[in-house]
Amino acid sequence: GAGVSQSPSNKVTEKGKDVELRCDPISGHTALYWYRQSLGQGLEFLIYFQGNSAPDKSGLPSDRFSAERTGGSVSTLTIQRTQQEDSAVYLCASSPQLGWGYGYTFGSGTRLTVV
Amino acid sequence: GENVEQHPSTLSVQEGDSAVIKCTYSDSASNYFPWYKQELGKRPQLIIDIRSNVGEKKDQRIAVTLNKTAKHFSLHITETQPEDSAVYFCAATSGSRLTFGEGTQLTVNP
Repeated sequence: GAGVSQSPSNKVTEKGKDVELRCDPISGHTALYWYRQSLGQGLEFLIYFQGNSAPDKSGLPSDRFSAERTGGSVSTLTIQRTQQEDSAVYLCASSPQLGWGYGYTFGSGTRLTVV
Repeated sequence: GENVEQHPSTLSVQEGDSAVIKCTYSDSASNYFPWYKQELGKRPQLIIDIRSNVGEKKDQRIAVTLNKTAKHFSLHITETQPEDSAVYFCAATSGSRLTFGEGTQLTVNP
């Protein structure tokens, strides 16, 4: 597609429920990243994928968070048993490839509110 | 891992003045330094970037400088306009991903 697409744009969920956030990267971009942005804060790295390589999960805050990327394209971030502190904007970004000199293109994000 | 510090956290200038935002990084292997602008409620967008083999880059009213020895880089905006008001993030490569600064809220007063 023309840009990075994320859905839903907004999600309100009850504490304890599971949620799935979807990211559709730019066609042909092999690298895909998930970041989290709490209100008025910076960008916190969660996880990245590069092609068929094992993902770097080092930023995931707890084992309630997981992500997968199917067929090297669409990615889903899953948060199990949501907590109020999970409330944030979840941003997905893609890049032509990992490494030197390749900036990210961000999606519009999913605003998650846990009540 | 990489640590990126950004200053100031807020910056208010009069329209037409210049604005400077500074970042430092910790990993001497970092070699790519982009800057992103995020308007309220919108996605971060890349506005300029610099690679480690270059000391300065300019694009119209925006320029970035890099001092590899001191491990710091700066964003310079000249002749600021109200539409420049936004949060600006610096970033540095850390292995295969970017580490971001905490952001600077720039307000340009008409």
